[in-house]
Amino acid sequence: QQQVKQSPQSLIVQKGGISIINCAYENTAFDYFPWYQQFPGKGPALLIAIRPDVSEKKEGRFTISFNKSAKQFSLHIMDSQPGDSATYFCAASWTKGGGNKLTFGTGTQLKVEL
Amino acid sequence: DTGVSQDPRHKITKRGQNVTFRCDPISEHNRLYWYRQTLGQGPEFLTYFQNEAQLEKSRLLSDRFSAERPKGSFSTLEIQRTEQGDSAMYLCASSHSVTSGELFFGEGSRLTVL
Repeated sequence: QQQVKQSPQSLIVQKGGISIINCAYENTAFDYFPWYQQFPGKGPALLIAIRPDVSEKKEGRFTISFNKSAKQFSLHIMDSQPGDSATYFCAASWTKGGGNKLTFGTGTQLKVEL
Repeated sequence: DTGVSQDPRHKITKRGQNVTFRCDPISEHNRLYWYRQTLGQGPEFLTYFQNEAQLEKSRLLSDRFSAERPKGSFSTLEIQRTEQGDSAMYLCASSHSVTSGELFFGEGSRLTVL
């Protein structure tokens, strides 16, 4: 049972463009939605996270948009740079009773071209 | 401040052998998680500890897998009688139960079973 669905599987964006990755979740108990960035051979690193009481959170070039009624959230990377080329994972957890156990999406491989 | 460290980073073994991975979490974190990641997939939850208590185990954690956190600090993940299907990256993460749900991941231990 896949509780967090992520799309697209891969994405190619020109330098300076906007990268958009989407996720949908099923479990309405989830109350914490992070995005992780992973480079080859490395562990995932937290990029940005949101809770369902807000619809948007921005940190630098990274923005999460959250739609609670649709059970969807997305990551927007503005002014994408070649250094952003990595795999991005959305995730969700139930912090109050689920032990902060993260359920991950399947990942999006982003390539930013010059 | 050191992050989550895992050892060894790479392990090549023959089918049927036992392997053990070690994880040292961030020192003030009382929760420790093990995840498994196969190529092209998101990390999958295996098990987690709060202090020395193992609070949840995934169905993915077969009888050949055992995890311990004897003194509530470092943890070990042992795989007995390894199979080729066990080849994966084994990721450890830690968090503090009081904070927002943020998990900090280590670099992972890559297992190759020949």
